[in-house]
Amino acid sequence: EVQLVESGGGLLKPGGSLRLSCGASGFNFDSYTMNWVRLAPGKGLEWVASISGSGPYIYYADSVKGRFTISRDNAKNSLFLQMDSLRVADTAIYYCARETADGYSPLNYWGQGTVVTVSS
Amino acid sequence: EVVLTQSPDTLSLSPGERATLSCGASQSIENNYLAWYQQRPGLAPSLLIYDASTRATGVPDRFSGSGSGTDFTLTISRLEPEDFAVYYCQQYGSPVYTFGQGTKLEIK
Repeated sequence: EVQLVESGGGLLKPGGSLRLSCGASGFNFDSYTMNWVRLAPGKGLEWVASISGSGPYIYYADSVKGRFTISRDNAKNSLFLQMDSLRVADTAIYYCARETADGYSPLNYWGQGTVVTVSS
Repeated sequence: EVVLTQSPDTLSLSPGERATLSCGASQSIENNYLAWYQQRPGLAPSLLIYDASTRATGVPDRFSGSGSGTDFTLTISRLEPEDFAVYYCQQYGSPVYTFGQGTKLEIK
């Protein structure tokens, strides 16, 4: 059974940093592109970033480029999101999601999400 | 970046009625790589349709997707109580993925 479990969320002040993790199980982790997607309060889903199975292809939404860094450790079946220079607008539930293949494919498995709150 | 615009923002219907949700793209979506997701309150999104018209595993056949290029539609033929939720379209035809703003399907 495919499982994705996010952790690392919390409450912090603007300008702070946070590292989210997503532990994966039940599939060959290095064969799939992984994504982070967020849902801000009262807003819709926003795609944040993706990283290909072996890591060479990385993409970001304009809203986080230069502040967030996506990475993965295939040996530990883990996905990460390093979030720096956090803003109030980054407050959201952050979901880890797996594509159906390694790139250019829909998101068919999602974690339960971890909450990030940025407030002064 | 491909901008997706969904309409309407909110759709009020009764169980048993037909729902039609639209998603328009600012440019043609490569290979019609367009997906639809359902999100119920407090839960993670769930994939319904991919490649514009293919139902994901386990999705009831009352859900159908159509369209190509820049105009796409999700149709729910006969609404069940559990279908009242928020629906999002998403394109994965360009490397920077994007979602539409969502359509809230509410009970009338």
